[in-house]
Amino acid sequence: GAGVSQSPSNKVTEKGKDVELRCDPISGHTALYWYRQSLGQGLEFLIYFQGNSAPDKSGLPSDRFSAERTGGSVSTLTIQRTQQEDSAVYLCASSSTASSSYEQYFGPGTRLTVT
Amino acid sequence: QKEVEQDPGPLSVPEGAIVSLNCTYSNSAFQYFMWYRQYSRKGPELLMYTYSSGNKEDGRFTAQVDKSSKYISLFIRDSQPSDSATYLCATRNTGGFKTIFGAGTRLFVKA
Repeated sequence: GAGVSQSPSNKVTEKGKDVELRCDPISGHTALYWYRQSLGQGLEFLIYFQGNSAPDKSGLPSDRFSAERTGGSVSTLTIQRTQQEDSAVYLCASSSTASSSYEQYFGPGTRLTVT
Repeated sequence: QKEVEQDPGPLSVPEGAIVSLNCTYSNSAFQYFMWYRQYSRKGPELLMYTYSSGNKEDGRFTAQVDKSSKYISLFIRDSQPSDSATYLCATRNTGGFKTIFGAGTRLFVKA
């Protein structure tokens, strides 16, 4: 079956512009996660959605970052007024439920470059 | 101190060697231990996970957890050039969803 998909695969933007990153999780997966991976760094947790529950936003680095998940499926991560330090690979993952988060399926990521 | 520590390498071995990848963690509440493999410009993929202590084997891969020393290992037997990738250890506690990842170890297997 189809895996997690993300778009765009690459995004180059100018400092100060807003960007939107999209994630399509595996069909039927109720839990969805966003991570950020900077060069040589591990995965930094950003935000987590589980079903219709309020998302856990504890990992968002600043109020320039926001995310939503519509209809319990597709998610969009928005970064406003981008800064150069926002340059990274943004990874989305899903799991069948939150309790099975030990088995996450990742998308290929969106490589964001802020110039 | 990071909750999960992992040597970033790189680690270079000849084809056929046994590879040992390791992580340490600080929180004794962690119960699930995972290993992900990430090829260049791809998303991580789950190799295997274990619950609590003990060993788990899957083909050429063996995951080992020692909770007394808070040490987790991944062994790769008969390593192949196709095993060249970054290996990320990860952990979480029971009932929680938040997964803590190590920085990843880059492995190169030379033909």
